[in-house]
Amino acid sequence: LAKTTQPISMDSYEGQEVNITCSHNNIATNDYITWYQQFPSQGPRFIIQGYKTKVTNEVASLFIPADRKSSTLSLPRVSLSDTAVYYCLVGDAGNTGKLIFGQGTTLQVKP
Amino acid sequence: GAVVSQHPSRVICKSGTSVKIECRSLDFQATTMFWYRQFPKKSLMLMATSNEGSKATYEQGVEKDKFLINHASLTLSTLTVTSAHPEDSSFYICSARPGGSGRAREQYFGPGTRLTVT
Repeated sequence: LAKTTQPISMDSYEGQEVNITCSHNNIATNDYITWYQQFPSQGPRFIIQGYKTKVTNEVASLFIPADRKSSTLSLPRVSLSDTAVYYCLVGDAGNTGKLIFGQGTTLQVKP
Repeated sequence: GAVVSQHPSRVICKSGTSVKIECRSLDFQATTMFWYRQFPKKSLMLMATSNEGSKATYEQGVEKDKFLINHASLTLSTLTVTSAHPEDSSFYICSARPGGSGRAREQYFGPGTRLTVT
């Protein structure tokens, strides 16, 4: 399973766009990229998943360059409630389904 | 959306006793369930993969005789922490993956169970 590297922490202010980049240099051909959000004492919550190019849903966008060695989660106009830990995971979710969590990025949104 | 529940949400037990944690997929059948543990301010650590009707596969370093996993049906997996000790105190989280080739990349997490061993 490919290892991921993310910034340990980020600060932002309400209303700003936040971009969190994840490096996954050893991503395999069958691997998908999935982002989860976790609040304290809760289970992770699925945000978005993609394989290549750009994926957008109602809460976020995911940008994946052609070489797929990195990805960027974009959160538009964050609010205080977006303060959480964000995990980037890479794996062949269609096969074993195993997800190996890295350290994650703690996002602190300030008023 | 798909919902996964865990019971209990928190439990306190005495050292040496056993504790069972249940993980249920409420509105879908889960061919595979996973168990994680998380220490304060740390990331989730995968403990084991549980497939319905077969033995669980444990990650390296996880004692299978201490953390008993049973996946008796397509909607229920249980984790039993046997002879619990204070160092087993942690946040235990399960996740479930729906069956069906069209949903293989989906995975849903439970709310977690806080175990405190005194």
